[in-house]
Amino acid sequence: DQQVKQNSPSLSVQEGRISILNCDYTNSMFDYFLWYKKYPAEGPTFLISISSIKDKNEDGRFTVFLNKSAKHLSLHIVPSQPGDSAVYFCAARNYGGSQGNLIFGKGTKLSVKP
Amino acid sequence: ETGVTQTPRHLVMGMTNKKSLKCEQHLGHNAMYWYKQSAKKPLELMFVYSLEERVENNSVPSRFSPECPNSSHLFLHLHTLQPEDSALYLCASSQDRLTLYEQYFGPGTRLTVT
Repeated sequence: DQQVKQNSPSLSVQEGRISILNCDYTNSMFDYFLWYKKYPAEGPTFLISISSIKDKNEDGRFTVFLNKSAKHLSLHIVPSQPGDSAVYFCAARNYGGSQGNLIFGKGTKLSVKP
Repeated sequence: ETGVTQTPRHLVMGMTNKKSLKCEQHLGHNAMYWYKQSAKKPLELMFVYSLEERVENNSVPSRFSPECPNSSHLFLHLHTLQPEDSALYLCASSQDRLTLYEQYFGPGTRLTVT
């Protein structure tokens, strides 16, 4: 049973507009969430993270929102650029249960069109 | 070289072959990981090493054998694999396992078992 779910396998957005990538989780013990970006033929690259004690973290064009009551987090990219086209993975960590191991979603492929 | 490197980048092997995947991290990290990424599946954690000691084995078949001779190097020895073992194998490292540090990934080895 998947503990971290990215229900949209793909998303297409126009350059300059907002990209919103969503992630749902089932384990209320997760205490830390991360987003990774992956280009073809490369490994995932860390993008941004958020602790469960926060509801928002911002880094430049990237903002992650956490809604603990809904067990939902989202990544907003504003404005979207063609170079943002990649697969985005959501990951979560259960410090107490899995000794810090990350649980990944299946990923969402973002295409930003010029 | 910087970051996390993996060799080879591509590997084709028969079911009776023995081969090894190599990972090296130049970040001074104390924890290293092997992940498997199969098509349309989330990243699956295979092994975790912390300070060169294996701390977790997520029920991986014995035909996969990890080795961590020092904190900078990690190997995955392969023997008598099955076609369903064909996947992208990713190595990652982090400062340590338990604090809020992200994992840094290598580019992966694309393995095909024929």
